[in-house]
Order: sequence, then structure tokens, then C-alpha cells
Amino acid sequence: NAGVTQTPKFRILKIGQSMTLQCAQDMNHNYMYWYRQDPGMGLKLIYYSVGAGITDKGEVPNGYNVSRSTTEDFPLRLELAAPSQTSVYFCASSYTNKGLNQPQHFGDGTRLSIL
Amino acid sequence: AQTVTQSQPEMSVQEAETVTLSCTYDTSENNYYLFWYKQPPSRQMILVIRQEAYKQQNATENRFSVNFQKAAKSFSLKISDSQLGDTAMYFCAFTLFSGTYKYIFGTGTRLKVLA
Repeated sequence: NAGVTQTPKFRILKIGQSMTLQCAQDMNHNYMYWYRQDPGMGLKLIYYSVGAGITDKGEVPNGYNVSRSTTEDFPLRLELAAPSQTSVYFCASSYTNKGLNQPQHFGDGTRLSIL
Repeated sequence: AQTVTQSQPEMSVQEAETVTLSCTYDTSENNYYLFWYKQPPSRQMILVIRQEAYKQQNATENRFSVNFQKAAKSFSLKISDSQLGDTAMYFCAFTLFSGTYKYIFGTGTRLKVLA
């Protein structure tokens, strides 16, 4: 039962570097999400996807990009890392259909530090 | 726009006692879900309990129960017979029945169970 798998678990980047946070789910969920969690705060939605080929912005999309070429994968890309992007990043997925909104399943998170 | 407020940043409870965590929300919609998620030091986001707004009966999951007051827009979590393993951050979350299915999270309550 893999569920939602995020890699890497930890990463340190220098300012201006780029990287991709990977997220994969094996539950055939149509919806996928990326959140960031800053210290002592709740989760804020960065981007989400309602299915392969469809993505949309959340509350805090600036500085990030996503793609959803398959149902299983939803990578998050940081193009020019900035210290303000130091955070813990969570990927989540859910099965959602009209009137059937199942709870989101979360990955274990990626702790990212920008120095 | 929907908002979720958790007014208790930190709480503590003696082992085996009962504690109640508060959550209030604001929405003009009538059909929605409410959730409580637990985030232990391992950082995993674990679903504790969920409530459908159309159900008058309060949800219960073993030692966890909610007091859902729709008119007051209140959704508190009661933990009975508290255990050391209940020590965690607890997040209240809201999502609509239909539409984008995005979650709105509160800022969390840090609960410490004392031996």
C-alpha cells in the first residue's frame, strides 16, 4: 500500500537553483494537490489538478510550476529558488466526483531549505 | 470566500482525561465537508474524523468525536481517554461538496498529552 509517495524527503538548495519535487500516487485518484506548510502554520494550497492534463492555481502559486501528464504523477517545480520558499511541502490526492468527495490522502512531506 | 479558524494555538491534557479542540468556519454555502487531521512529530497528515454538513448526527471514531453546530458554524473535536500517542498538531479543514474541492485549513492546535 504505497499511497502517496514524495521524493526527496529532505533537500537543501542554494538561492537561484531549480529543482523538482516528485509526487506519485497509486490509488487512481483523479485529484492531486500541492501544499506548503510554513513553521507553526496550516497548509496553503499551491496548485492542484483535477485530472491528467489539467492544472490550476491555488492560494500561493508564485514561484512554482506543475504538470500532470499522467494520473499517477504530479511534480512540482521550483525554477529560481528563493529563501521565502523554505518550507515543508505536502502532496495529496483524492477521489472526487460530484457528490462523492473523499478525504485527501497525504504524502510524508518534503522538507526544503533554501540558503 | 471560506475561512477556518482555530483559536487555540496550544493545549495540554493529562493522560486518560478528555480534551476539546475548537474550530469555527465561515461559509455561505450549505453543502460541505469538515475534517480533523492529526499531524504527529513524524509530519504525516492523518485523517481523524470527517463530518458531512447535511448530517445532523455528530461523527464518532472510537475515542474521537465531534460537536457539529451548523448554525453556529462550529466544529469541535473531543478526544476521550487521551493517550500519549495523541500528542500532535491537529488541523481543522473545510471543503465544499461541489466545485473545485479545494481544502481550506486552519492554523492548527498543538496538543500535548502529559503522563
